Amino acid sequence: GAGVSQSPRYKVAKRGQDVALRCDPISGHVSLFWYQQALGQGPEFLTYFQNEAQLDKSGLPSDRFFAERPEGSVSTLKIQRTQQEDSAVYLCASSLVGGASSYNEQFFGPGTRLTVL
Amino acid sequence: GNSVTQMEGPVTLSEEAFLTINCTYTATGYPSLFWYVQYPGEGLQLLLKATKADDKGSNKGFEATYRKETTSFHLEKGSVQVSDSAVYFCALSDGGRNDMRFGAGTRLTVKP
Repeated sequence: GAGVSQSPRYKVAKRGQDVALRCDPISGHVSLFWYQQALGQGPEFLTYFQNEAQLDKSGLPSDRFFAERPEGSVSTLKIQRTQQEDSAVYLCASSLVGGASSYNEQFFGPGTRLTVL
Repeated sequence: GNSVTQMEGPVTLSEEAFLTINCTYTATGYPSLFWYVQYPGEGLQLLLKATKADDKGSNKGFEATYRKETTSFHLEKGSVQVSDSAVYFCALSDGGRNDMRFGAGTRLTVKP
């Protein structure tokens, strides 16, 4: 079956531009997570949705970052007025039930590599 | 706060060599521990997990034991193959939180 997909796979933006990154989770998965992965580092948590509700946004680095999942399926991560330090791979993951427990495997998408010039 | 420290890479081995990638963690509670693998051009995939002390996770010839006394979860494989070349991430989740904490990743290259 289809896994988690993300688009675009690569995005180049000029500093100051707004970008929108899309995540299509596995159909029927309740939970959706966004992570930011800097070069040579592990993924770092950004935000978590359970259905359409954004239950945790503690990892968003600034108010320029905004995420939504209006119908509890597709999610969009938006970054306003991009800065060079926003350059990273943005990963989306979904899981069948709620939370990040050990019984709730997260399935990851291939990521979107964002480069801000 | 919770954190994961893993062995720096890159690691280069010959086929059939023994592999160990070290991982230690810091956590306030009783976390679950994971190893994820990322093959070139693909997303992270769960390799194995352990949910409590002394549990051993295993998959595809890889194994790791949850050692509470040493706060470690080292990944081992007795005989690596070229197809094992990938980046390996150690991670933990604390059931009371929504985030998963990852190590920095270790790149493994296996040469024929």
